Amino acid sequence: GAGVSQSPRYKVAKRGQDVALRCDPISGHVSLFWYQQALGQGPEFLTYFQNEAQLDKSGLPSDRFFAERPEGSVSTLKIQRTQQEDSAVYLCASSRQGGSNQPQHFGDGTRLSIL
Amino acid sequence: AQSVTQLGSHVSVSEGALVLLRCNYSSSVPPYLFWYVQYPNQGLQLLLKYTSAATLVKGINGFEAEFKKSETSFHLTKPSAHMSDAAEYFCAVNRGSRLTFGEGTQLTVNP
Repeated sequence: GAGVSQSPRYKVAKRGQDVALRCDPISGHVSLFWYQQALGQGPEFLTYFQNEAQLDKSGLPSDRFFAERPEGSVSTLKIQRTQQEDSAVYLCASSRQGGSNQPQHFGDGTRLSIL
Repeated sequence: AQSVTQLGSHVSVSEGALVLLRCNYSSSVPPYLFWYVQYPNQGLQLLLKYTSAATLVKGINGFEAEFKKSETSFHLTKPSAHMSDAAEYFCAVNRGSRLTFGEGTQLTVNP
């Protein structure tokens, strides 16, 4: 597709439920990133893939958070046993290559609300 | 660790006035810097990037930014604000592939 696509756009879950958020990057983009954006704040890094390899997961806040990109394209961010503090917008970004000078292109995000 | 600081969480200008959004970085080496804009309920759109090729960088929608090493700054400017510029603006530094964002500046444009 023309841009990064994320689904669902909105997700409401009850505390304790598991959720899965999907990201479809720009075709051919090698690098894929997940960020978490709390209300009124800038995005915070969660994890980074280059192709199917997860090169950095240091931003994942707990072991309840898990991300995968098994075929080097679509990625899924899974949150187990959701808590209220998980409520945020989850943004996915992709870039053509890895490297600090590469611009990252963002999707519209998934707004997650935990009741 | 590389980081950015955005001075002013809210900036208000009149339509047609100069827009100036401030960003200072902390880095021991010249960084890769970016400005993004976020409209309500949308993701981040890249405005421009600095990658050491030129100190004055022109971006989309009439925005530009100047990298000043002596001041460790990368301020975003636009000569004449338009109502459609009202949004949240984020400065970011790339640190080993991951982006580290500032707190953001909410720009309001008054008619």
